[in-house]
Amino acid sequence: KQEVTQIPAALSVPEGENLVLNCSFTDSAIYNLQWFRQDPGKGLTSLLLIQSSQREQTSGRLNASLDKSSGRSTLYIAASQPGDSATYLCAVTPYEAGAQKLVFGQGTRLTINP
Amino acid sequence: NAGVTQTPKFQVLKTGQSMTLQCAQDMNHNSMYWYRQDPGMGLRLIYYSASEGTTDKGEVPNGYNVSRLNKREFSLRLESAAPSQTSVYFCASKRANTEAFFGQGTRLTVV
Repeated sequence: KQEVTQIPAALSVPEGENLVLNCSFTDSAIYNLQWFRQDPGKGLTSLLLIQSSQREQTSGRLNASLDKSSGRSTLYIAASQPGDSATYLCAVTPYEAGAQKLVFGQGTRLTINP
Repeated sequence: NAGVTQTPKFQVLKTGQSMTLQCAQDMNHNSMYWYRQDPGMGLRLIYYSASEGTTDKGEVPNGYNVSRLNKREFSLRLESAAPSQTSVYFCASKRANTEAFFGQGTRLTVV
């Protein structure tokens, strides 16, 4: 059974720092990995999707990498801002016939201090 | 674009009452999902639908039923609500090998 882990559960850093969020998964047989952002009381917003054949994806100040063989992904946030404060979740889509279900980690709650 | 729309946004039920959570997507996605999110438990899959006319159980299906009414709509029904079903419910949709999109959630409290 695929399991996804995000460590640490919470992270607090001063504004302007570059930071890395981690995601690990137990089975490398995945179609893709997706990073989401969730603000308090809100739904999930997709940030980046990395296909299994890709090594990284970039969007603005965000860069996500994928090392499928070691079961790891990182989300790099450059020049962090208070508006980046949110919970960040990663999810993998395991090889499985049909619906391509997502398996989520429990998230990292990020606080950027002004 | 509306994306994924869930109704209602908030609901309070008494134990034993029934209700249906509605979800609609306008992105022509084949697959749709219902998740629940609880503190310390993360997001857990309740039911999913790989395509119109098919539904399957996820990780925590007990106490729920679903209907894939058409390609756009996927509803979740609680036949007899229990306090353990107090949670935030999210609907999602996706096409194969593309990103998933989520609704804004339904906060359900069962008293």
